[in-house]
Amino acid sequence: NAGVTQTPKFRVLKTGQSMTLLCAQDMNHEYMYWYRQDPGMGLRLIHYSVGEGTTAKGEVPDGYNVSRLKKQNFLLGLESAAPSQTSVYFCASSYRRTSGSVQETQYFGPGTRLLVL
Amino acid sequence: AQKVTQAQTEISVVEKEDVTLDCVYETRDTTYYLFWYKQPPSGELVFLIRRNSFDEQNEISGRYSWNFQKSTSSFNFTITASQVVDSAVYFCALSEVRTDKLIFGTGTRLQVFP
Repeated sequence: NAGVTQTPKFRVLKTGQSMTLLCAQDMNHEYMYWYRQDPGMGLRLIHYSVGEGTTAKGEVPDGYNVSRLKKQNFLLGLESAAPSQTSVYFCASSYRRTSGSVQETQYFGPGTRLLVL
Repeated sequence: AQKVTQAQTEISVVEKEDVTLDCVYETRDTTYYLFWYKQPPSGELVFLIRRNSFDEQNEISGRYSWNFQKSTSSFNFTITASQVVDSAVYFCALSEVRTDKLIFGTGTRLQVFP
C-alpha cells in the first residue's frame, strides 16, 4: 500500500499560469480533502469530497477548483496562479463515517510545495 | 464556532527532559473528536492519536501520553524523556461529528537538543 501520494512534490509557477495537483489513494477511502499549510496558520481546508463525483467548499476555496472523477483520485486546480497561493498543499483521505460510528482518521500525503512568482 | 488554540509557538528542551504541548479547543457540540498529528522536518503529517469526547481516560503509548479534560476543554500531549527524533511540529485538531471536517491549531514546534 502506497497510502496517499501527491504529484508533483515541488513546482514553481509564474503569476497567471495554471496547474493541477494530483492526489491518489489506494486505501479505498470515500472521503478526500485538500489543505494548504502556511507559516503560523496551521492547515486550512480548501475543498473536500465525500464520494466520487461530489465536491464541496472548505474554509479557503477561492482561486481553486477540484474534481473527483474517480474514487481514488482528487485533483486540485489553479486556473490563474497568484503569489498568495504560494504554500504547501496536503491531500488527505479517510473512510466514510457511517451514522453513529466513530469519526474516521484522516491520513495525509507527503505534500506539494508550490511557489508562485 | 470551532477553534483550536496551541498557544506555545515553539518549545526547546534538552534531551531526556519531559515536555508538555498544550491544546485548548472550542466547540458547541457535545460529540466531537480530537487528534494529534506530528510533522517531522521531512514534512509529512503523521497521525498520533484520536480521542472522542465521551472518553476522558488518559492514554499512554510508550513515551507519549495524552491528558483529555473536558472541564477545561484541553487535550494536552506529554513526551517523557524526550529524544532528538521528537523534534517536529505538532498539530492538535478538532473534528465535529456533524461536519467531518478537521480544524487544526497553528502547531507547536518542538526542538529537542542533544
